[in-house]
Amino acid sequence: GAVVSQHPSWVICKSGTSVKIECRSLDFQATTMFWYRQFPKQSLMLMATSNEGSKATYEQGVEKDKFLINHASLTLSTLTVTSAHPEDSSFYICSAKGLAGTDTQYFGPGTRLTVL
Amino acid sequence: GQNIDQPTEMTATEGAIVQINCTYQTSGFNGLFWYQQHAGEAPTFLSYNVLDGLEEKGRFSSFLSRSKGYSYLLLKELQMKDSASYLCAVKRNAGNMLTFGGGTRLMVKP
Repeated sequence: GAVVSQHPSWVICKSGTSVKIECRSLDFQATTMFWYRQFPKQSLMLMATSNEGSKATYEQGVEKDKFLINHASLTLSTLTVTSAHPEDSSFYICSAKGLAGTDTQYFGPGTRLTVL
Repeated sequence: GQNIDQPTEMTATEGAIVQINCTYQTSGFNGLFWYQQHAGEAPTFLSYNVLDGLEEKGRFSSFLSRSKGYSYLLLKELQMKDSASYLCAVKRNAGNMLTFGGGTRLMVKP
């Protein structure tokens, strides 16, 4: 149980385009989903926390207008990187937390974004 | 602020035991997680400690001392597939947010 999927697995796009990444909890309802970014040989950096049906909470230094997060249902959150630039190239990983009583976050397989 | 420190790299031999340490300084501590991450893949959950003591799960054990701000992950009977990064993450207060340490890259040699 507790499987989280992400789509796409990898994407290459031109500078200036927007990219949408989906994160789904497959066998449980995720009240909270998290979006992380990981640069090569570095640890995960939390970008934002999204709760179903409400606005996402962004970490300091993360532009909310550039990284649009929508958590429309208990099983789906999307991250849209708007007007992507080469410096946005990174590994984007989502995680999902189940209903109350469980603290563990389960991670998706990640999306590797390369902006040319 | 928060400080979570782990060694950057470690090397161990197949079949041996290795201990990966994590120290943290944070207010409102409410639990510590260990994750394993293979290169290019997402982290997978290994263990969760919120009370002092040792939690054992097969070849993996995790220890926590809240008074010392210290945890370790113990891997026994090392296998080549254990070569990965091991991430220590701290949970604060009643929120859901995790803050990750820099990770420890473990290389298991034959």
